[in-house]
Amino acid sequence: QVQLQESGPGLVKPSGTLSLTCVVSGGSINTYNWWTWVRQTPGLGLEWIGEIYPSGTTNYNPSFKSRVTMSVDTSRNQLSLRLNYVTAADTAVYYCVRQGGSREFDYWGQGTLVTVSA
Amino acid sequence: IQMTQSPASLSASVGDRVTMTCRASQSISNFLNWYQQKPGKAPKLLIFLASSLQSGVPSRFSGSGSGTNFSLTINTLQPEDFATYYCQQSFITLPYTFGQGTKLEIK
Repeated sequence: QVQLQESGPGLVKPSGTLSLTCVVSGGSINTYNWWTWVRQTPGLGLEWIGEIYPSGTTNYNPSFKSRVTMSVDTSRNQLSLRLNYVTAADTAVYYCVRQGGSREFDYWGQGTLVTVSA
Repeated sequence: IQMTQSPASLSASVGDRVTMTCRASQSISNFLNWYQQKPGKAPKLLIFLASSLQSGVPSRFSGSGSGTNFSLTINTLQPEDFATYYCQQSFITLPYTFGQGTKLEIK
């Protein structure tokens, strides 16, 4: 059973950088799957941030494209998310998610709340 | 692609049959997924490709539709089914997008 666990600072200052890590257990990250980051806010609901393939190929949501970087470390079986120049609007629960073969989001981490505040 | 769910909230009783809908702003073939979310938890995949039941999900959940109109039906509601339900399109055109959710409440 694949499990995902996000971690990172729960508080980030405005204009700073949000950095999260997702550790994958119960299976290899180096599979024929895309790995995705999704966030959830009360205002905008669920938002797809972007996806990364184990090779390092990425696709980002244009809403975030200039601020977001995703990376993968197959040796550590983990993913990373960086979001620059954060504002209060980036306060959200951030999830890392595995995509299944039909691009459905089949395994989710528990999520981590990141608050942007001075 | 914009996803619109209706209704925003729905009241029902245990044992009822309920249906909620999701509309896409353009055709997405059958690339439509449904998730259930309970407070403080991550969404859980119920249905993928519009009508395929995810492994381990009870058969009282079913999905249908194609193109732009989709629906999720829950037969014989159980107490654990009261939650918020989201649709999500996974068509080839990025970004993937979610509906705003339908909150299913106990009457």
